[in-house]
Amino acid sequence: NAGVTQTPKFQVLKTGQSMTLQCAQDMNHNSMYWYRQDPGMGLRLIYYSASEGTTDKGEVPNGYNVSRLNKREFSLRLESAAPSQTSVYFCASSRATVMNTEAFFGQGTRLTVV
Amino acid sequence: SQQGEEDPQALSIQEGENATMNCSYKTSINNLQWYRQNSGRGLVHLILIRSNEREKHSGRLRVTLDTSKKSSSLLITASRAADTASYFCASGRMVTGAGSYQLTFGKGTKLSVIP
Repeated sequence: NAGVTQTPKFQVLKTGQSMTLQCAQDMNHNSMYWYRQDPGMGLRLIYYSASEGTTDKGEVPNGYNVSRLNKREFSLRLESAAPSQTSVYFCASSRATVMNTEAFFGQGTRLTVV
Repeated sequence: SQQGEEDPQALSIQEGENATMNCSYKTSINNLQWYRQNSGRGLVHLILIRSNEREKHSGRLRVTLDTSKKSSSLLITASRAADTASYFCASGRMVTGAGSYQLTFGKGTKLSVIP
């Protein structure tokens, strides 16, 4: 069972470069999320998508864009990477109904911006 | 600012002892969830307690929720070295009007269980 798959696992960017982090889930979940995790900060929500065709800002959206390509895929784009975006990025998905809200996480993308 | 705040930030215990972690949150919630993260890995869901529940058990895990104090606790009984990980609480709420569900995480408690 694949669950939530993120690519790449590691990436080093130079300041100003752009890249897209890919995320796909095979659980037919409605909602998908992008979080970043920094030491001592826990996980902070960047963007989320409640359903196919909708996206909303989370707590720390500046410097990022997202695309909910279809129900399975939710990508995160850094248009002009900055050192402050060095972090571990996690994608998650959830059925997100009132009765069923457990989130499933990918293994993370470790991004370093130099 | 983050919704959930765990306490303590780090906890070191001997194998066989119980570990208690606390979490506070700020706004109304539909549920409170606890997740575990092994070093360098993604988060794994442990247990969920709904806002109308006060206590829930799952194996060696016991979770309590006090909505009047906006707090929750996670108790791991008879700890094992394999329980060494970071534990996060996450407050879940449906966003009215948006039809979406948000899960807001705290900063986590790093648990070390010494064999």
